Amino acid sequence: DAKTTQPTSMDCAEGRAANLPCNHSTISGNEYVYWYRQIHSQGPQYIIHGLKNNETNEMASLIITEDRKSSTLILPHATLRDTAVYYCIVFNQAGTALIFGKGTTLSVSS
Amino acid sequence: NAGVTQTPKFQVLKTGQSMTLQCAQDMNHNSMYWYRQDPGMGLRLIYYSASEGTTDKGEVPNGYNVSRLNKREFSLRLESAAPSQTSVYFCASSERSRGHEQYFGPGTRLTVT
Repeated sequence: DAKTTQPTSMDCAEGRAANLPCNHSTISGNEYVYWYRQIHSQGPQYIIHGLKNNETNEMASLIITEDRKSSTLILPHATLRDTAVYYCIVFNQAGTALIFGKGTTLSVSS
Repeated sequence: NAGVTQTPKFQVLKTGQSMTLQCAQDMNHNSMYWYRQDPGMGLRLIYYSASEGTTDKGEVPNGYNVSRLNKREFSLRLESAAPSQTSVYFCASSERSRGHEQYFGPGTRLTVT
């Protein structure tokens, strides 16, 4: 599976959009980009995934660059409850399990 | 619909003791997983079960055994606990037909003294 690079930490003001970047320059054509988050002491929570088109659901939007070497997770109106570690994972769906890195710690403040 | 449940929530063991961590899911998922998370680290896969009746090693299987008891339940056993196994253990499940959206339990916090 391809590796990902994320900033260690980011800050965001409550009510503003949080844009979390992820680099995956070695991604191959059949690998998806998945995003999970982990709120303190809880199990990780699935957010969204995509292959090459942009995706949106009730939680977030995922923007993948045309060359697929990077992506951005957008939380459109961050709240204090969005404070968490966010993991960007590249995954081949023919594979078996996700590989979690260290992720980005997002701190949302009022 | 409880999702993924894990028992116990907390456990303290002495070195050399054994115990089994229990996991159950009520979403009729085919695949189940056991991860561990050490302080300040991401999750690491211990074992997984792609479907009922099958189990395979993940990244860090040494010192652990698993049993896929049925489609709902996947247990993790520590035969002889060591301090290095002090960690938070998460169970997860997924339905392969929907990609790998994994649903996680609340975790078991294990301390081995």
